[in-house]
Amino acid sequence: DTEVTQTPKHLVMGMTNKKSLKCEQHMGHRAMYWYKQKAKKPPELMFVYSYEKLSINESVPSRFSPECPNSSLLNLHLHALQPEDSALYLCASSQDAEHNYGYTFGSGTRLTVV
Amino acid sequence: SQQGEEDPQALSIQEGENATMNCSYKTSINNLQWYRQNSGRGLVHLILIRSNEREKHSGRLRVTLDTSKKSSSLLITASRAADTASYFCATDARETSGSRLTFGEGTQLTVNP
Repeated sequence: DTEVTQTPKHLVMGMTNKKSLKCEQHMGHRAMYWYKQKAKKPPELMFVYSYEKLSINESVPSRFSPECPNSSLLNLHLHALQPEDSALYLCASSQDAEHNYGYTFGSGTRLTVV
Repeated sequence: SQQGEEDPQALSIQEGENATMNCSYKTSINNLQWYRQNSGRGLVHLILIRSNEREKHSGRLRVTLDTSKKSSSLLITASRAADTASYFCATDARETSGSRLTFGEGTQLTVNP
C-alpha cells in the first residue's frame, strides 16, 4: 500500500460545528503532516508529527487541534471555524522527519465553512 | 512562510515542446524537491535533488540545482497534454525540530494538444 487516504473528500460545516478530518497510511512512515492550501496558492505547513509526537506547530489557531492516535492515523479536529478557514486540507507522510526522501500526499479534504 | 519563488507563474506550450520552470529560494537547504498537482488534487512527488548534486534525471524530467545562486530548474521534455498541472518546488531545510518542506508559489503549466 503506497497511499495516503484522507476522509472525507468534501466537508461543509457551520461555524458552530465540530468535525474531524482523518488521514491514514500503511507504509510504515513515522512522520505525518497537515498542510492547508488556499486556491491558487502553495500548501502551507500546519503541523508535523514525528513518531506520534507533535514536533512542529506553525502557530495554528487553537480551533484546529491535531491528534495522532497511532503511527498510521492522523486526525485534525475542527471547532468554531471561520469562513476564511475554507481551503483544501492535505495530509502527507514521509519515512521519518529526519530523512526526507519525499512526501506522499493524500488527495485532500475540500473544506467549506459557512 | 514561503521561501520559494517560481517563474513563470503560468506557462502555455504545445504538445511536444519542452517546458522549463525555475525556482529560487532564500535559505540553506538539505535537498530540493519538485511536485505536481492536478487541479484540486493531492501533490505527487516527482524528483528530489540533494544539496551536493547539480543535476538529476528521471524519465522526461531533468532538474538542476545551483546552490550558489539558490536556484533550481525543472525541464519537462517532449511535453504531453497529460502534463498539464501545477508544478511546485519545495525546499527541505533541516531544523532542530526535524525536516520541514516549504513550497514555492508554483507554476501553472498548460500543454495544448
